[in-house]
Amino acid sequence: NAGVTQTPKFQVLKTGQSMTLQCAQDMNHNSMYWYRQDPGMGLRLIYYSASEGTTDKGEVPNGYNVSRLNKREFSLRLESAAPSQTSVYFCASNRGQVYEQYFGPGTRLTVT
Amino acid sequence: GDSVTQMEGPVTLSEEAFLTINCTYTATGYPSLFWYVQYPGEGLQLLLKATKADDKGSNKGFEATYRKETTSFHLEKGSVQVSDSAVYFCALSVGDAGNKLTFGGGTRVLVKP
Repeated sequence: NAGVTQTPKFQVLKTGQSMTLQCAQDMNHNSMYWYRQDPGMGLRLIYYSASEGTTDKGEVPNGYNVSRLNKREFSLRLESAAPSQTSVYFCASNRGQVYEQYFGPGTRLTVT
Repeated sequence: GDSVTQMEGPVTLSEEAFLTINCTYTATGYPSLFWYVQYPGEGLQLLLKATKADDKGSNKGFEATYRKETTSFHLEKGSVQVSDSAVYFCALSVGDAGNKLTFGGGTRVLVKP
């Protein structure tokens, strides 16, 4: 099993550009999550999907949209990137009723 | 709301030293508590967890005890190795739809030979 995979690993955008971060899991998990990691602030939840077909806002959703494409895939879209969105983005998944979350390797995004 | 506070780093230790990372929390309900570890260039992975008061989580020589009376979940290891150099995150989850995690800011640990 590959676990949780994310693409791309690195990305540089200019202010105002758009892009989609991809996430997939092969563990048949119901729930999936997007976090951003900033120095000294730990991880903050952007959006999550408790099950296929549902999505909900987390702590810092502004400037982002998500799509739960199917049970395996959960994408994060930045419609108009801003320098404040420079961060490392992590996708995670779990079964929903079991608390352990499994994390992907992350995407390092720089917005200039 | 829910929050987690952990000691700021970096913490620099010599090999075989004793490690403690303090973690305290506030929660609106009855939380489960976790320690995650992030090795350089990697995602987070679960190190240990505890789901009720007085439970002790342990893994790879690390331990943490869920202390409800002091709202704490301090991480300890008796003899660290260079390979323990990483960032450690304390987190909590209050059971509801989605099992959302609330993280502390992370503590970077550097173990020198």
